[in-house]
Amino acid sequence: DVKVTQSSRYLVKRTGEKVFLECVQDMDHENMFWYRQDPGLGLRLIYFSYDVKMKEKGDIPEGYSVSREKKERFSLILESASTNQTSMYLCASSLFRLNSYNEQFFGPGTRLTVL
Amino acid sequence: KNEVEQSPQNLTAQEGEFITINCSYSVGISALHWLQQHPGGGIVSLFMLSSGKKKHGRLIATINIQEKHSSLHITASHPRDSAVYICAVRGRGSTLGRLYFGRGTQLTVWP
Repeated sequence: DVKVTQSSRYLVKRTGEKVFLECVQDMDHENMFWYRQDPGLGLRLIYFSYDVKMKEKGDIPEGYSVSREKKERFSLILESASTNQTSMYLCASSLFRLNSYNEQFFGPGTRLTVL
Repeated sequence: KNEVEQSPQNLTAQEGEFITINCSYSVGISALHWLQQHPGGGIVSLFMLSSGKKKHGRLIATINIQEKHSSLHITASHPRDSAVYICAVRGRGSTLGRLYFGRGTQLTVWP
């Protein structure tokens, strides 16, 4: 059974803290994605990675960075958490195949609250 | 402006009703996905469409490429269908599998 796991389901942090969100997939997927989901706004892409050590900015990368040192792991970093980063964070992964349907498999999400 | 528009944003139905959720998009696409998200966060893929119609149990998805429109239908709705339904499109020529998402439709089905 395919699996994408995220390190925490719920996380509470204080303003200014450095926050690490971890995502691990066991499907040997090349592509990995980090999204945030807010009411009324839907899923928005923060960063994605198509290979180890490769990363691309999504639509809302400001205030975030990412790390992909191993194929199975994609980390999202909030260098200095702020209250407007309170959100649900979802990780996803997919195969890399040109001109082909690449279903994205999602993790369960991390609900982050920044106080 | 969002490339993908869904309607309605919220939908309430009585058990047994026929439900339709609509999705319109403004870009050329190679595929359209319907996703389901239950309370708690987990997202699962229901359908992937590039043309025509697909059916799975009580769920039916259709797409009209010329009109850039897709619909998700639920027949004989049940309270367990209560979830957020999300439309997502993959742009034509996208080699990295990036998806563009609608804002979701919150469906609540009452017994």
